[in-house]
Amino acid sequence: GNSVTQMEGPVTLSEEAFLTINCTYTATGYPSLFWYVQYPGEGLQLLLKATKADDKGSNKGFEATYRKETTSFHLEKGSVQVSDSAVYFCALSDRFTGGGNKLTFGTGTQLKVEL
Amino acid sequence: EPEVTQTPSHQVTQMGQEVILRCVPISNHLYFYWYRQILGQKVEFLVSFYNNEISEKSEIFDDQFSVERPDGSNFTLKIRSTKLEDSAMYFCASRRLAGGNYEQYFGPGTRLTVT
Repeated sequence: GNSVTQMEGPVTLSEEAFLTINCTYTATGYPSLFWYVQYPGEGLQLLLKATKADDKGSNKGFEATYRKETTSFHLEKGSVQVSDSAVYFCALSDRFTGGGNKLTFGTGTQLKVEL
Repeated sequence: EPEVTQTPSHQVTQMGQEVILRCVPISNHLYFYWYRQILGQKVEFLVSFYNNEISEKSEIFDDQFSVERPDGSNFTLKIRSTKLEDSAMYFCASRRLAGGNYEQYFGPGTRLTVT
């Protein structure tokens, strides 16, 4: 079956530091890949997505590249801010498994950015 | 910007009681989902719903769970006889197209506490 593995948190960084959150996946078909962010007390928001190999998703300074050869979708940001403190979830949707294209999530990585 | 809404934000119930969690998906969306997140664990898929019927469900979604779209706007999750292990954050999500666009929009969640 499908699965997503994320690096464990929490990750604590100083403001303006470089961020990488690793994500690898296992899928039976041809997944679309997503990063969702959950700010404290809020729901899940789509941060970025990529639907095929070598696609790069980007939003708000965050980037992730769909690497089929390494089955990875690592999240990066060049300079984090305190406002980026949140939990980040990697997820996949496998369009060829039928049904409703459910999302399979990783465990989430908590990011804390300090001044 | 349209958004998914959920009520209540927090529900406390006693073991064995029935609960109904309510969601209003985005109005022109066709696919609806329920996910749950037990505290400190990953977000898990429960069920997807399309064209007034369940399109896929997980092994978590047993006979104690049911979903309904009673009118043109609401989407509900019912748990018939709650157990302690049903305590979790429940997220509703919706998606616009059947196939093609895989982006799911999430509500803020309902925290269910079973005592």
